[in-house]
Amino acid sequence: QVQLVESGADLVKPGGSLRLSCAASGFDFSDHSMAWIRQAPGTGLEWISFISHSGRTIYYAESVKGRFIVSRDNAKNSLYLQMNSLRDEDTAIYYCVRSPLRVAAYFDSWGRGSLVTVSS
Amino acid sequence: DIQMTQSPSTLSASLGDRVTITCRASQSVSSWVAWYQQKPGEAPKLLIYKASTLESGVPSRISGSGSGTEFTLTISSLQPDDFATYYCQQYNKMWTFGQGTRVEIK
Repeated sequence: QVQLVESGADLVKPGGSLRLSCAASGFDFSDHSMAWIRQAPGTGLEWISFISHSGRTIYYAESVKGRFIVSRDNAKNSLYLQMNSLRDEDTAIYYCVRSPLRVAAYFDSWGRGSLVTVSS
Repeated sequence: DIQMTQSPSTLSASLGDRVTITCRASQSVSSWVAWYQQKPGEAPKLLIYKASTLESGVPSRISGSGSGTEFTLTISSLQPDDFATYYCQQYNKMWTFGQGTRVEIK
């Protein structure tokens, strides 16, 4: 059974940093591309970052480019999102999601999400 | 960036109704469209990918169609479990979601 469990969420001040983790289980993590998607309170879904199964291909949405860094450790079945220079508008639930394939595609499994609050 | 525009934003319907949600892409995305369902307090759930392929375990009353720039999600007979918010997503070039359609009880 596929499981994605996010951790690391917190209340942080504007300009601060935070690192989210996602622990994957129930599937061969190294065979799947992964991504982060966020949802600000009461709003829709926004893709923010993608990393290929090997970690060699990475993409970011313009809204986080230069501030967020995605990485993965296939030996630890873990996905990470380092968030720097946080802004009020980064307040959202952050979902760790899996692509069913090695290549970029849709997302077939989602974690429960982790709420990041940026506020002074 | 490819924009995805869903309509309507809110849809009021009764049990047993046939409902259709439309999603238009700002440029052709071929058939690279997925649909998700989200209930309050829960993560989204994949329903359909490649415009019309039903994800395993999704009831057959849900279907998808379209290609190019226009796509539809149809629920043939609305059930209590279907009251939720639905999002389309293109994955032809990066990933973009529609703004969502809330299906509520009439």
